[in-house]
Amino acid sequence: KNEVEQSPQNLTAQEGEFITINCSYSVGISALHWLQQHPGGGIVSLFMLSSGKKKHGRLIATINIQEKHSSLHITASHPRDSAVYICAVVPNTGNQFYFGTGTSLTVIP
Amino acid sequence: DVKVTQSSRYLVKRTGEKVFLECVQDMDHENMFWYRQDPGLGLRLIYFSYDVKMKEKGDIPEGYSVSREKKERFSLILESASTNQTSMYLCASILQGAFAEAFFGQGTRLTVV
Repeated sequence: KNEVEQSPQNLTAQEGEFITINCSYSVGISALHWLQQHPGGGIVSLFMLSSGKKKHGRLIATINIQEKHSSLHITASHPRDSAVYICAVVPNTGNQFYFGTGTSLTVIP
Repeated sequence: DVKVTQSSRYLVKRTGEKVFLECVQDMDHENMFWYRQDPGLGLRLIYFSYDVKMKEKGDIPEGYSVSREKKERFSLILESASTNQTSMYLCASILQGAFAEAFFGQGTRLTVV
């Protein structure tokens, strides 16, 4: 079973394009995180959402709790945005994470 | 400004060796987690700990054990390494109940030959 599904698995974009990564989950949650993993492994938390929308620079994250769906958008993409983006949810019933399998983004100059 | 440090970035070990992966956090967090990350499978929870000397099995604990003798340090132990334990290992640290902020280590890529 996979509580968190991400799409697409792989994404290649031209520099400047608008990018959307989707995350759907099947459990009730208290929070959803978007994480970024660059080549080499280190993970950085980009956003934590429990409702609505958050923006940080060129990154925007939205969540629809009723539909159990979240999106991560990157405006004016740049090669330095190339990374794996991972969606992680915190279920209401526990204090751990369920992770999506990640979306590998490559932005070509 | 390092918050979660894993002892090695890359490690190569032989089958049958005992392997220690160390994770240290400097934020006085109660909760620490060990995950492994494999292509197509994402991050899977191996073990976690809510406090010193406490440990709980995650989804895939077989072949692993852990140690938490001090609050800041959570060690993952492979008693007898096998080739199917070749993976990326990630440690996470979370303040009790505060999943709004989680910190991850830089990862250890372990190869068992």
